[in-house]
Amino acid sequence: GAGVSQSPSNKVTEKGKDVELRCDPISGHTALYWYRQSLGQGLEFLIYFQGNSAPDKSGLPSDRFSAERTGGSVSTLTIQRTQQEDSAVYLCASSLDVWGFEQFFGPGTRLTVL
Amino acid sequence: AQSVTQLGSHVSVSEGALVLLRCNYSSSVPPYLFWYVQYPNQGLQLLLKYTSAATLVKGINGFEAEFKKSETSFHLTKPSAHMSDAAEYFCAVRDAGGTSYGKLTFGQGTILTVHP
Repeated sequence: GAGVSQSPSNKVTEKGKDVELRCDPISGHTALYWYRQSLGQGLEFLIYFQGNSAPDKSGLPSDRFSAERTGGSVSTLTIQRTQQEDSAVYLCASSLDVWGFEQFFGPGTRLTVL
Repeated sequence: AQSVTQLGSHVSVSEGALVLLRCNYSSSVPPYLFWYVQYPNQGLQLLLKYTSAATLVKGINGFEAEFKKSETSFHLTKPSAHMSDAAEYFCAVRDAGGTSYGKLTFGQGTILTVHP
């Protein structure tokens, strides 16, 4: 079956613009995770969903970042008023449920803020 | 808070040589530990996981890791390196409870280079 997909694969935006990043988890996976990978910070956890609720938003770096998940499937990560330090690869992962040991990762969205 | 330290940001080996990538963890509870591999411009792929069963864990592509509680280590090894093993490797620890149950905390990564 299909793996985790993310779109767009690359996004270039200007400082101050808003961006939306999309994640389609593996069908039937109820847990969904967002991570960020950057040169300076490595791989960082941002937020995770169990179903449509987000028990842990502790990794969101600022209130410019938000995420939602609807229908227990697709998730959107939104960054408002982008800054250059937001440039990174944003990775999405899903697992069968929050107790599932394996998180399956998507290919990521590379965000570049000019 | 749980954390992971990978010793050595770059490791270089010859093809056919032993691969050893080091990972030490810090956790207040018995941890769940993982090794992921990332090939260029791709997402992360799970190599193997430790979930408190056998301390020696075998994964894909001939890799294995041993959980040593006394040393708080989970080093990754492969007896004979192949050119296709060249990639970046991440050790990760997973929160075992509370609201952060599913969260993975990653080490800084180790880039493995394999020379002919």
